[in-house]
Amino acid sequence: KNEVEQSPQNLTAQEGEFITINCSYSVGISALHWLQQHPGGGIVSLFMLSSGKKKHGRLIATINIQEKHSSLHITASHPRDSAVYICAVPSGGSNYKLTFGKGTLLTVNP
Amino acid sequence: DSGVTQTPKHLITATGQRVTLRCSPRSGDLSVYWYQQSLDQGLQFLIQYYNGEERAKGNILERFSAQQFPDLHSELNLSSLELGDSALYFCASSVGGRLQNIQYFGAGTRLSVL
Repeated sequence: KNEVEQSPQNLTAQEGEFITINCSYSVGISALHWLQQHPGGGIVSLFMLSSGKKKHGRLIATINIQEKHSSLHITASHPRDSAVYICAVPSGGSNYKLTFGKGTLLTVNP
Repeated sequence: DSGVTQTPKHLITATGQRVTLRCSPRSGDLSVYWYQQSLDQGLQFLIQYYNGEERAKGNILERFSAQQFPDLHSELNLSSLELGDSALYFCASSVGGRLQNIQYFGAGTRLSVL
């Protein structure tokens, strides 16, 4: 089983601030997923990455395979970025099952 | 819109009853995943189907079962319902069956067991 730790659990920011959310896992993986869950409950896949860095708009995800750590950054944060951000990794050697972190609740105030 | 359709959106039922949740994957996606999200457990993987065959099983109770039909839609059957089964149930689909593929999530079915 792969243990996933996210930090912080809660994050409040002012509009325009640079945001970082961290994810650490215990077992080596082939891919890591970042998901966004809005207050209404819907889930959107933001990134799937296995090495290096990916960028989409104001979102940047990085992963360090050796350190078993990934970060999700949001530049120039906006109130519409307020959501729960969830990191997910394969469960202990499986190529089919995901284990999810508990999520980071981000609130961006105007 | 992810292209994944889940019905119904809400379901209210009583303990001991049986319900069926339905998922239609994105066009072209062969893989369907089912997840349960409760307040105390967070998101948990239940089961995956790929092109009609069960591919992987997670924390799925024996009272729960699923299948994927030839047209690739999937159903999750929950029986002998208990209060603790109240949760959001998500379906996701992907092109391939491995975790290197992006998963597209449906809007979820909110199940309330009274």
